[in-house]
Amino acid sequence: DTAVSQTPKYLVTQMGNDKSIKCEQNLGHDTMYWYKQDSKKFLKIMFSYNNKELIINETVPNRFSPKSPDKAHLNLHINSLELGDSAVYFCASSQAGLANTIYFGEGSWLTVV
Amino acid sequence: GNSVTQMEGPVTLSEEAFLTINCTYTATGYPSLFWYVQYPGEGLQLLLKATKADDKGSNKGFEATYRKETTSFHLEKGSVQVSDSAVYFCALNAGNNRKLIWGLGTSLAVNP
Repeated sequence: DTAVSQTPKYLVTQMGNDKSIKCEQNLGHDTMYWYKQDSKKFLKIMFSYNNKELIINETVPNRFSPKSPDKAHLNLHINSLELGDSAVYFCASSQAGLANTIYFGEGSWLTVV
Repeated sequence: GNSVTQMEGPVTLSEEAFLTINCTYTATGYPSLFWYVQYPGEGLQLLLKATKADDKGSNKGFEATYRKETTSFHLEKGSVQVSDSAVYFCALNAGNNRKLIWGLGTSLAVNP
């Protein structure tokens, strides 16, 4: 049983298109995240939700819009895709707390052509 | 502000060699410290953690000790295997906005 699952795993799309990545966690956690990892493996947090409330919203173009319909789901919608959006996007979840572990999904490889 | 600095890679070792990946941090208060590992084609997973000074985290033969006096959390393994080839991330949580602060990652390649 996958703890944090995200779909699709691979996504190739043209510039200007709109795409969504879906994420679900079955761990009962109250906090979910979206991270972006570039080709140099640099990891950058984009958004975080706690109990469906947005608590972290880093400097991200407003073409990126997260949506959390409930505690177990956090989706990411991207409008007007650009070449620079090509990256791996990771969904993750945790229980709020200093020492708590973050559990990551397997990633969604987005390539914009 | 809070920050994590880890040694740059890539690191290339032969099987059974000793591994050290340095990690130092800057933080207010008493952060929790973590090492995460990312195997090729996968998401990150927790390798070990420590929540207070002098705590030692350990897992899969890896160890790291929370040293407040040197603000360090160096990762060590006595004898690496090819299967340890991965990217290793040091991270801290100081409680600010519930955000984990990540190092840049250190790529490790172990040759047979």
